[in-house]
Amino acid sequence: DAMVIQNPRYQVTQFGKPVTLSCSQTLNHNVMYWYQQKSSQAPKLLFHYYDKDFNNEADTPDNFQSRRPNTSFCFLDIRSPGLGDAAMYLCATSSPRAGGGYEQYFGPGTRLTVT
Amino acid sequence: GENVEQHPSTLSVQEGDSAVIKCTYSDSASNYFPWYKQELGKGPQLIIDIRSNVGEKKDQRIAVTLNKTAKHFSLHITETQPEDSAVYFCAASLSNDYKLSFGAGTTVTVRA
Repeated sequence: DAMVIQNPRYQVTQFGKPVTLSCSQTLNHNVMYWYQQKSSQAPKLLFHYYDKDFNNEADTPDNFQSRRPNTSFCFLDIRSPGLGDAAMYLCATSSPRAGGGYEQYFGPGTRLTVT
Repeated sequence: GENVEQHPSTLSVQEGDSAVIKCTYSDSASNYFPWYKQELGKGPQLIIDIRSNVGEKKDQRIAVTLNKTAKHFSLHITETQPEDSAVYFCAASLSNDYKLSFGAGTTVTVRA
């Protein structure tokens, strides 16, 4: 089945120790997104790619970086994780819907714990 | 930018009853309104969407209504079942925009 895959599902890192989360898709969608979701909150967009074009949200901390080496893969790098970065990180892709709008397909998320 | 407000934040219903979640949006140019369901430990999944040229859309037990003049839209779930228990997010965007503005979410609990 075509899908969005995130690895690992659970990640524990130490305060200040760099960590990379990965996302892959078999949907061949042009657009990929990274969201941060904290408990009982809506997903917060960190950045997105249209193909190789990178778009950073204005309030995304510099501590967060991303790479998209090809259509299928996208990575989220957190250079120096702080306790406040503990969250669920969601990867999504999107395609245009007939009649307008972009349907976003979400992966299962990676739960990041910072100790 | 677009601001989406969602109410209520929590909703508890008896199995078989209906559930209604309401959202308002600020940007009158928005014309695409999806609803996502997020089950515990999973990513959100699209359950229904509506565009501004339509006032209502139904898919089995789920329906969405849109009032463009008042800038609000609602999700209606009829004959609720335990598997409807989840967090529901409304969202709004322009039809040619890759980004969505999400509401804060509604936690729905269906009591058996």
